[in-house]
Amino acid sequence: QLQLQESGPGLVKPSETLSLTCTVSGGSISSSSYYWGWIRQPPGKGLEWIGSIYYSGSTYYNPSLKSRVTISVDTSKNQFSLKLSSVTAADTAVYYCARTSITIFGVVIAPFDYWGQGTLVTVSS
Amino acid sequence: AIRMTQSPSSLSASTGDRVTITCRASQGISSYLAWYQQKPGKAPKLLIYAASTLQSGVPSRFSGSGSGTDFTLTISCLQSEDFATYYCQQYYSYPPVTFGQGTKVEIK
Repeated sequence: QLQLQESGPGLVKPSETLSLTCTVSGGSISSSSYYWGWIRQPPGKGLEWIGSIYYSGSTYYNPSLKSRVTISVDTSKNQFSLKLSSVTAADTAVYYCARTSITIFGVVIAPFDYWGQGTLVTVSS
Repeated sequence: AIRMTQSPSSLSASTGDRVTITCRASQGISSYLAWYQQKPGKAPKLLIYAASTLQSGVPSRFSGSGSGTDFTLTISCLQSEDFATYYCQQYYSYPPVTFGQGTKVEIK
């Protein structure tokens, strides 16, 4: 059974860089069938797609965040990571990692059929 | 970016009711629409993709319809475990993929 698990600091200071890692177990991140994404949800609010990555390193980013976001993949560790720079209180959210199946859905970066449990990141001094 | 608008934002219903949630796209998205269910403190769960295809393991009381700009999610006979927030998502035009603002289904 595929599992995704987010990890990283729960508290980040304003202007610093938020860094999270998603570890994939029960399947290979190197499969050509999947894209891997990050989605966030501010407390009490809706969902916002941040970006997605392929095992080869090909990425798609949300234009609204593109200048601050970097998503990378480490196939040797079966992990992919998110870095969000120059954070403010508006970046406080639960951050989820998730998978999209190209072969099932026939589309590159959505929808998301497997999700991590999410991790709350608070931006505060 | 394509804007997704759900209605209503919330609704109250009783177990056994038929519930319909609407999602409207700001431009045509063919059938590139998904529906998710989210319970408090949990990750979203994919219910439907391609507007009307039920994800594996999802009960048949859930159904989706629509194409172009107007879509609906219907729960034919509401069960206690269906009280949650529901989101639509378009993946026709990206980046970005975009979500609706959510519809909270509460117990009457």
